Amino acid sequence: KNQVEQSPQSLIILEGKNCTLQCNYTVSPFSNLRWYKQDTGRGPVSLTIMTFSENTKSNGRYTATLDADTKQSSLHITASQLSDSASYICVVSGVKTSYDKVIFGPGTSLSVIP
Amino acid sequence: GAGVSQSPRYKVAKRGQDVALRCDPISGHVSLFWYQQALGQGPEFLTYFQNEAQLDKSGLPSDRFFAERPEGSVSTLKIQRTQQEDSAVYLCASSFGSGITRGYTFGSGTRLTVV
Repeated sequence: KNQVEQSPQSLIILEGKNCTLQCNYTVSPFSNLRWYKQDTGRGPVSLTIMTFSENTKSNGRYTATLDADTKQSSLHITASQLSDSASYICVVSGVKTSYDKVIFGPGTSLSVIP
Repeated sequence: GAGVSQSPRYKVAKRGQDVALRCDPISGHVSLFWYQQALGQGPEFLTYFQNEAQLDKSGLPSDRFFAERPEGSVSTLKIQRTQQEDSAVYLCASSFGSGITRGYTFGSGTRLTVV
């Protein structure tokens, strides 16, 4: 069964600190992996997208890595800000027919405190 | 429009009532997805449209759920005879094409509470 797992389930860090969120997946075949940020009461917003051949991608203070061999990804947040408090969702797409079937992870809830 | 618009933002329904949730995708976006997100969980796939064609409805939890996109733009998710377990946020997402690097744009969702 295609699955996406994330850890930790929740995380509390002090403002200014760095953190790393993990994503493991069993989706096959693999098309691409995205990290989304979902603020409370809002829809998910894309942070990064990586295909099979990409190992790392950055978007400001967010850096995502992908190891397609071990089927693992991480999202590193540098110098966290209070506005980083949100749920971070790992999303893996597997190719099916003419469109992607998208599998969402359960998310990691991040709280940044002053 | 500039983004994906969903309405209503909040809906409270009595058990057994029918509800209709609307999604206005970004103009010109071919693909449209509906997702169900329970509290504290990631979104779960419900159904997918390519233009007006519903290509995948494997995620719809029961025959009480019905989605349509008759003109290939606005979509409606209808839930008949709502049950308490239907309480969730229903997210709509659209994308321009169906290529492997396409990005999805999500709406803010409709929070449905069945009492």
